[in-house]
Amino acid sequence: AQSVSQHNHHVILSEAASLELGCNYSYGGTVNLFWYVQYPGQHLQLLLKYFSGDPLVKGIKGFEAEFIKSKFSFNLRKPSVQWSDTAEYFCAVIPYSGGGADGLTFGKGTHLIIQP
Amino acid sequence: DTAVSQTPKYLVTQMGNDKSIKCEQNLGHDTMYWYKQDSKKFLKIMFSYNNKELIINETVPNRFSPKSPDKAHLNLHINSLELGDSAVYFCASSQEGIEQGGTGELFFGEGSRLTVL
Repeated sequence: AQSVSQHNHHVILSEAASLELGCNYSYGGTVNLFWYVQYPGQHLQLLLKYFSGDPLVKGIKGFEAEFIKSKFSFNLRKPSVQWSDTAEYFCAVIPYSGGGADGLTFGKGTHLIIQP
Repeated sequence: DTAVSQTPKYLVTQMGNDKSIKCEQNLGHDTMYWYKQDSKKFLKIMFSYNNKELIINETVPNRFSPKSPDKAHLNLHINSLELGDSAVYFCASSQEGIEQGGTGELFFGEGSRLTVL
């Protein structure tokens, strides 16, 4: 079965700092990749997704992520964070397993705190 | 209009009780899911339904039973509630499951916070 690792459980940054959140997955085949964000007390919302094509994908609110197939990674980046980016960030994967299980597998999340 | 809606948002109950959480989606999606988010924010899939057929049932106690009266609804019924059932339960939907050619992108409801005393 596939799994997702997020390297940092808690990240604290100052406003205007650059952000990179790590995500690695374990699965040998083709996958679709996602980053979701959960603002305090809210539901999960899609930030960005990668299905195929250009490995650098851009999402909402200035976020982007790069898929590096050789490293099984899909790291999330933002050049300059804002206080409103304080949230929980989840990386998720779903394989094209063709007959296997369905549904997204999530990483354990990274709690991001932006200090004013 | 809320695309995926869950009720109730908050539920506080005693151990041993039976409770249900309802979920409805108006996106016309074929597949619906229940996820459990524990106190450490870890998300784990519990069930999914595609065209009223259960296609995933992870290692969830049989006290939990999903019920889907139609494609737009997937309710979660929990019998004999235990302290460890306290969590936030998220309903989600996707246009098609990955096996049906979909992308796997999920649309989430706002969550139902269950507290068992």
